[in-house]
Amino acid sequence: DIQMTQSPSSVSASVGDRVTITCRASQGISSWLAWYQQKPGKAPKLLIYAASSLQSGVPSRFSGSGSGTDFTLTISSLQPEDFATYYCQQANSFPLTFGQGTKVEIK
Amino acid sequence: EVQLVETGGGLIQPGGSLRLSCAASGFTVSSNYMSWVRQAPGKGLEWVSVIYSGGSTYYADSVKGRFTISRDNSKNTLYLQMNSLRAEDTAVYYCASLTYRKFDYWGQGTLVTVSS
Repeated sequence: DIQMTQSPSSVSASVGDRVTITCRASQGISSWLAWYQQKPGKAPKLLIYAASSLQSGVPSRFSGSGSGTDFTLTISSLQPEDFATYYCQQANSFPLTFGQGTKVEIK
Repeated sequence: EVQLVETGGGLIQPGGSLRLSCAASGFTVSSNYMSWVRQAPGKGLEWVSVIYSGGSTYYADSVKGRFTISRDNSKNTLYLQMNSLRAEDTAVYYCASLTYRKFDYWGQGTLVTVSS
């Protein structure tokens, strides 16, 4: 199975900050990576797919990059509604696996 | 508008069985790859199973042999039959569509609690 490791596990940031979350795969997954945002008590929401493609309706302050084993999710200017937990997910092979999550908290 | 609505969760004793349903609207279950993803309380996301539009099915090792994914095309509904339930199966279960290897639509989830 492909293991996905996110860092950091949590980050404290202020509105307007630039936030970067990294995700590392235990083996190469090309660009088969997605990012999700989850708020408490809600289902995850797709933000980015194919490592860098923005899902329709997602604000452009979210961006993704990377290929192979190392990926990043960047929020260019953090907004109040962005405080949530973020997960990466590899889509290269079954079983599909997720990172452990990164909680973005208010500083 | 696509809507996925899960039902069927609840409290069940270890060793028991439960069937989850996911009713779709604005969306055709049989034409899409459909999955179940679960989340234990306070934990991360875990993929459980997928059914392809052609009918092939795949499972996580943790549920293989105990869970069965299926669909009823006439009802436009996805199912997850869960047998031999264990405490570690306690989670919110989400159904989600898997399009080009990304989970693009999700239901609101249904909580399954396995406890005596």
